[in-house]
Amino acid sequence: DTEVTQTPKHLVMGMTNKKSLKCEQHMGHRAMYWYKQKAKKPPELMFVYSYEKLSINESVPSRFSPECPNSSLLNLHLHALQPEDSALYLCASATGPMNTEAFFGQGTRLTVV
Amino acid sequence: DAKTTQPPSMDCAEGRAANLPCNHSTISGNEYVYWYRQIHSQGPQYIIHGLKNNETNEMASLIITEDRKSSTLILPHATLRDTAVYYCIVRVLNTGGFKTIFGAGTRLFVKA
Repeated sequence: DTEVTQTPKHLVMGMTNKKSLKCEQHMGHRAMYWYKQKAKKPPELMFVYSYEKLSINESVPSRFSPECPNSSLLNLHLHALQPEDSALYLCASATGPMNTEAFFGQGTRLTVV
Repeated sequence: DAKTTQPPSMDCAEGRAANLPCNHSTISGNEYVYWYRQIHSQGPQYIIHGLKNNETNEMASLIITEDRKSSTLILPHATLRDTAVYYCIVRVLNTGGFKTIFGAGTRLFVKA
């Protein structure tokens, strides 16, 4: 299994809603990442988890809350988002934090209304 | 931070080689150059990486200049399915580990 699976594929949420994005990999990778991508822009790094611990937070607003419950799973909890947070959210994994050969999921397309 | 510069777009005829350049003049001695591509509506896909020597795999070849300030990704026989945005990346070392920072990329159009 060489896939990174993200669910849901599409999500529409109101500004007062609480929702979560899920990312799963079964490749034994110990580094996992969240990226945000706006239309026609490159992916922007949000968070890096290394061995289930948050190692990098790129000054992301607290309305985005990552969680890594185990080595296969990465969540992104969303609360009180703004319409400008609408974007494609990409999850990636790599064998370790020193390896940049990352495997990306297909993303969750989020629309905040 | 090491940065990369790529042309915003390029065209290539189907069946011909596509040569995508990248400048990374501030790269440090032990930093690798990575290439990813992103086909429309999909997640980025790793292509190849290298340090000093030229590299080749089933997808592409990577040519790095001797001074390591620039590199070229070569798709030897481009197909329509190679139409994508190609990102040249140099990792940035942070206190929390390495960060993969995507630049603006090159939008490659392969035409029949």
